[in-house]
Amino acid sequence: GAVVSQHPSWVICKSGTSVKIECRSLDFQATTMFWYRQFPKQSLMLMATSNEGSKATYEQGVEKDKFLINHASLTLSTLTVTSAHPEDSSFYICSAPTLAGAEDTQYFGPGTRLTVL
Amino acid sequence: GDSVTQMEGPVTLSEEACLTINCTYTATGYPSLFWYVQYPGEGLQLLLKATKADDKGSNKGFEATYRKETTSFHLEKGSVQVSDSAVYFCALSHQGAQKLVFGQGTRLTINP
Repeated sequence: GAVVSQHPSWVICKSGTSVKIECRSLDFQATTMFWYRQFPKQSLMLMATSNEGSKATYEQGVEKDKFLINHASLTLSTLTVTSAHPEDSSFYICSAPTLAGAEDTQYFGPGTRLTVL
Repeated sequence: GDSVTQMEGPVTLSEEACLTINCTYTATGYPSLFWYVQYPGEGLQLLLKATKADDKGSNKGFEATYRKETTSFHLEKGSVQVSDSAVYFCALSHQGAQKLVFGQGTRLTINP
């Protein structure tokens, strides 16, 4: 099946620094990608929809200036956590559908664990 | 808004035991329902799905039936294996929307 990769798989950073997480579709093109956040023992919460060539769509309560999303090509979306603080520590997961409108063909990356000290 | 509630884990069973993981949902209209599985160190994978009432999704010995009257989509397997150890997520979406609403996940451990 299709493969979605994320890099890095884990990152530790100091408070106040910015961290970039990459999500790549390795063998298919994705005009849309989704970014989720998962707290320990909790559900995945959709943060934003990344759209190739246009602005991301953020879910209610997600700070767009805090979580910058760039979908510069059909195979790459990046999430930058700006001025990270300990409360931003979490597991970030991306997904990409292979067909527009086909909600059952989403492929998920393995996730990136961010720890902010 | 839409929401999904799963039974809390962790769940620990012996090999060949019967499994049921409960999932109920709250949603407007007629959502599609999914079970995703996350094996250690891997991304979420679609396990099975159902798109309308009374549909039964099945895969790898797992089954779940879309029950509109009880707004449920419980995951079942008659005889689990050690390789089924993973975290299981129930989810819903509205057709064409692609956005998934997840339950909190249930960690399943199968002991030999």
